[in-house]
Amino acid sequence: DTEVTQTPKHLVMGMTNKKSLKCEQHMGHRAMYWYKQKAKKPPELMFVYSYEKLSINESVPSRFSPECPNSSLLNLHLHALQPEDSALYLCASSQVPMTGSNQPQHFGDGTRLSIL
Amino acid sequence: EDQVTQSPEALRLQEGESSSLNCSYTVSGLRGLFWYRQDPGKGPEFLFTLYSAGEEKEKERLKATLTKKESFLHITAPKPEDSATYLCAVQSPDTGRRALTFGSGTRLQVQP
Repeated sequence: DTEVTQTPKHLVMGMTNKKSLKCEQHMGHRAMYWYKQKAKKPPELMFVYSYEKLSINESVPSRFSPECPNSSLLNLHLHALQPEDSALYLCASSQVPMTGSNQPQHFGDGTRLSIL
Repeated sequence: EDQVTQSPEALRLQEGESSSLNCSYTVSGLRGLFWYRQDPGKGPEFLFTLYSAGEEKEKERLKATLTKKESFLHITAPKPEDSATYLCAVQSPDTGRRALTFGSGTRLQVQP
């Protein structure tokens, strides 16, 4: 079992639906991340939150809207998605990267999203 | 721009047949090289962090090593349960992204 919990595990939605992905960690990490992973490809960074503030947005379309309500929770709100957005969405957390050596990111098992 | 290249893309071994996976990297100021294991339908599972050339880490049948240009993941006497995709990633402060740059992975299959 991973220490980063993501819900739901699977989600099927139409292009006009609104849904949210949730991520929770209780490791005391203050950096949280959303990644997108297509089949047989490595994870690609979408967003980074540091101390509950959005610090990086990797030019992600506005139909993806992240939210960090507190230090343990991370949400990804979805609206008007396209079929090409079907993928595994991974949440990760870590200690906040410092100027020296960085600590590893720990991943959840993801939400498998299918857009009809 | 940080770059990570993994080889081979896929590897099929017999149980007990030792081998190595390669990860070549180009970063400006390495702040960590990370190895992950990913099973189908699961998230990446953290294995090792390496910070400086010459460093080695071991866990059961796995041993990771690091030079200034590449890292190796040595698998000794693998078992079928070692079958997975192994991902290498680097983290550099110079990108400003403070996030991981992954290689494309090596898909390992160990046959009984």
